[in-house]
Amino acid sequence: AQSVTQLDSQVPVFEEAPVELRCNYSSSVSVYLFWYVQYPNQGLQLLLKYLSGSTLVESINGFEAEFNKSQTSFHLRKPSVHISDTAEYFCAVILNTGGFKTIFGAGTRLFVKA
Amino acid sequence: DTEVTQTPKHLVMGMTNKKSLKCEQHMGHRAMYWYKQKAKKPPELMFVYSYEKLSINESVPSRFSPECPNSSLLNLHLHALQPEDSALYLCASSQGTGGTQDTQYFGPGTRLTVL
Repeated sequence: AQSVTQLDSQVPVFEEAPVELRCNYSSSVSVYLFWYVQYPNQGLQLLLKYLSGSTLVESINGFEAEFNKSQTSFHLRKPSVHISDTAEYFCAVILNTGGFKTIFGAGTRLFVKA
Repeated sequence: DTEVTQTPKHLVMGMTNKKSLKCEQHMGHRAMYWYKQKAKKPPELMFVYSYEKLSINESVPSRFSPECPNSSLLNLHLHALQPEDSALYLCASSQGTGGTQDTQYFGPGTRLTVL
């Protein structure tokens, strides 16, 4: 069965420090990978996605994620976080066999402290 | 433009009320979704419409009734809800052609409270 594991439920970090949010997936078929961010009392916003090509993908606000097929991982990183990055981050996959189901991880709460 | 809009932002209803949630997108997407999200949890899929036809119903109780009047609109009709149905209801859309086109774009959600 397919699954997505986000190992850390909460990640506290000081402002301007680097951060890594971990995501591992399990699937018997190829997948497309996504990171969504949810700010308090808001919907989910697409942060970045890996569909094919370069395994390193970047977002416009400084986050990047690297697809590692051998380790079945898609960790999210940022070299220097801001207070405004405080949010819930969800890793998700869609199977490339088609269909409409997105499998979400449980989420990681990033808390940036001053 | 990757905007999905939802109304209302907040809704409080009694267990005997009938209300509706509305979702709209103008991206030409042909798949639209309803999700339910409880606090500190990921979204749970409820329904998927593809080309205005119900494609997936994740065994949702009949007190939730989806409707897709046209390719841009998606409604969720609510009747005789229970307090445990209180949650954030999220709408999403995608191109709906399968594969790489199925990146989902989410609306801001409706915060529903059932008294």
